[in-house]
Amino acid sequence: DGGITQSPKYLFRKEGQNVTLSCEQNLNHDAMYWYRQDPGQGLRLIYYSQIVNDFQKGDIAEGYSVSREKKESFPLTVTSAQKNPTAFYLCASSIRDPGNEKLFFGSGTQLSVL
Amino acid sequence: AQTVTQSQPEMSVQEAETVTLSCTYDTSESNYYLFWYKQPPSRQMILVIRQEAYKQQNATENRFSVNFQKAAKSFSLKISDSQLGDTAMYFCAFMRNNNDMRFGAGTRLTVKP
Repeated sequence: DGGITQSPKYLFRKEGQNVTLSCEQNLNHDAMYWYRQDPGQGLRLIYYSQIVNDFQKGDIAEGYSVSREKKESFPLTVTSAQKNPTAFYLCASSIRDPGNEKLFFGSGTQLSVL
Repeated sequence: AQTVTQSQPEMSVQEAETVTLSCTYDTSESNYYLFWYKQPPSRQMILVIRQEAYKQQNATENRFSVNFQKAAKSFSLKISDSQLGDTAMYFCAFMRNNNDMRFGAGTRLTVKP
């Protein structure tokens, strides 16, 4: 069953701690994305990657880091520099298929600060 | 930078009636894609409908249709015969050729029985 898997579903961070959110896809999609969603608000782009070993900053990259060592995986690290990390994080992927562009989303990770 | 504006934070509609959600966007590009996504209380993002900017014809998907006005940079979503299951947050989104997608702030739609 193809799809995007995000883990964990819930994550708690202590002050000063780095945490990593996992995102894996078996759709053979080239591009992957991380979005942040605050309560009652829209999605803001953190980072995206169009190919392995390459990624670009989105609108709110400060305090976050990513890697793209494998096509299937795009983990997001929330560093201690991110002072307000509590939010819902969504991972997405898309295929480079002219005329069929769209994003497929995972089920999200809720990150909270202890 | 591309921006997407949804001017209606909340809307409600009676079951079986029709409702229209508004979206405007700003871009200097000529080719791009527009989307409406639905986010129910489960918070799963679900694609509702998709429009290619170079196509004049408005997209339709069953009870969902769009009114795409390229010159006005407007992309509204019409939901016909509203159902209780349509209750959700609806996000308008814009995607350029480099595949990065930007979202509006959303409209919370409540369908009343």
